[in-house]
Amino acid sequence: GQNIDQPTEMTATEGAIVQINCTYQTSGFNGLFWYQQNAGEAPTFLSYNVLDGLEEKGRFSSFLSRSKGYSYLLLKELQMKDSASYLCAVMDSNYQLIWGAGTKLIIKP
Amino acid sequence: KAGVTQTPRYLIKTRGQQVTLSCSPISGHRSVSWYQQTPGQGLQFLFEYFSETQRNKGNFPGRFSGRQFSNSRSEMNVSTLELGDSALYLCASSAGQVLSGANVLTFGAGSRLTVL
Repeated sequence: GQNIDQPTEMTATEGAIVQINCTYQTSGFNGLFWYQQNAGEAPTFLSYNVLDGLEEKGRFSSFLSRSKGYSYLLLKELQMKDSASYLCAVMDSNYQLIWGAGTKLIIKP
Repeated sequence: KAGVTQTPRYLIKTRGQQVTLSCSPISGHRSVSWYQQTPGQGLQFLFEYFSETQRNKGNFPGRFSGRQFSNSRSEMNVSTLELGDSALYLCASSAGQVLSGANVLTFGAGSRLTVL
């Protein structure tokens, strides 16, 4: 079967750096997405990786290793507003999105 | 540019009833997907419509159905509601058929269904 694994919950300190990992086993690969979801709100798009390497977007970066079935989302200079759930999704060979259960990130002062 | 609009935002039903949820995609978006989200579970794919045709369907029972209208607005219906149907139902739209960094899913805020 197809599977996306993410840690259920992580805690980090304001101003610090946190890395949220995502490992996947899917039938084929056509890209990986990261979304942020605040409680009670819609998920919003953060990043997309289809080639190996690091994509940087301001305080957020996303890394992909297709050979290892692995991605991470790196958040720098953490702010209280970064407290949210972070969802990893992989597009399989049929261009279907397979979603992880999400990682709840708690930022402490 | 208005975002994806879902109505109603909250609703309470009892077992055995049916419910219809509505989704208006971003103007110009022709693809609409529906997801079910429950605590501890990833987004579970229900179905996707493109130009009024159902292109893909997830592994949900036939009680879950949907349709898309010529203006790209979409509805999903759940009949004979069960307690386990309590969830946040999310609708998402995209401009084209294949997702990428330039063609991403944009989600609505969801319809939270509680079945008593």
